[in-house]
Amino acid sequence: EPEVTQTPSHQVTQMGQEVILRCVPISNHLYFYWYRQILGQKVEFLVSFYNNEISEKSEIFDDQFSVERPDGSNFTLKIRSTKLEDSAMYFCASSGTGGFTEAFFGQGTRLTVV
Amino acid sequence: QKEVEQNSGPLSVPEGAIASLNCTYSDRVSQSFFWYRQYSGKSPELIMSIYSNGDKEDGRFTAQLNKASQYVSLLIRDSQPSDSATYLCAVISGAGSYQLTFGKGTKLSVIP
Repeated sequence: EPEVTQTPSHQVTQMGQEVILRCVPISNHLYFYWYRQILGQKVEFLVSFYNNEISEKSEIFDDQFSVERPDGSNFTLKIRSTKLEDSAMYFCASSGTGGFTEAFFGQGTRLTVV
Repeated sequence: QKEVEQNSGPLSVPEGAIASLNCTYSDRVSQSFFWYRQYSGKSPELIMSIYSNGDKEDGRFTAQLNKASQYVSLLIRDSQPSDSATYLCAVISGAGSYQLTFGKGTKLSVIP
């Protein structure tokens, strides 16, 4: 069964360092997303990506964040200068032919900023 | 500000009983509604989607949508201990926005 794959599963980084979280969405999906979940809190939307550009972003997704689809399969989230408050689970998701349809989540990357 | 509200629970039901989970949403033009299951430390797993008023059944799960009342529910029949998890209600508002807005989730505990 097709699935969204994320790497790494856990990343520890020092405050101020850059991190890149990687995702391989489901192969025939067209819409890609990043969400995050701080421990004990709700899942929050960060950004959506369609047709090789950002289609929507939240207030959380400031200049420290960027996304890229460097090739036909990978989708990445970069945090330029990590802060302690960036510590969270980051989930990549993808959906198929329409933005209103079902989104499937990867297993997540736990980011710990120390 | 789009809001999705859920009772945080915990909701405890005995094994074999029906679990009823509820969700309300604030954006009247919302178009798509989803239930995800999340085990502790894991990612959200899609259980059900519903797009029009009424009931939608899939195995032991039934989703119910009432757009006039801005209310979505999930019924789990013949609850099993493996159903113990946090259930997340999520909504896509439409109007050019495809982002999922999640509720905080209801923690369900099925007692053997």
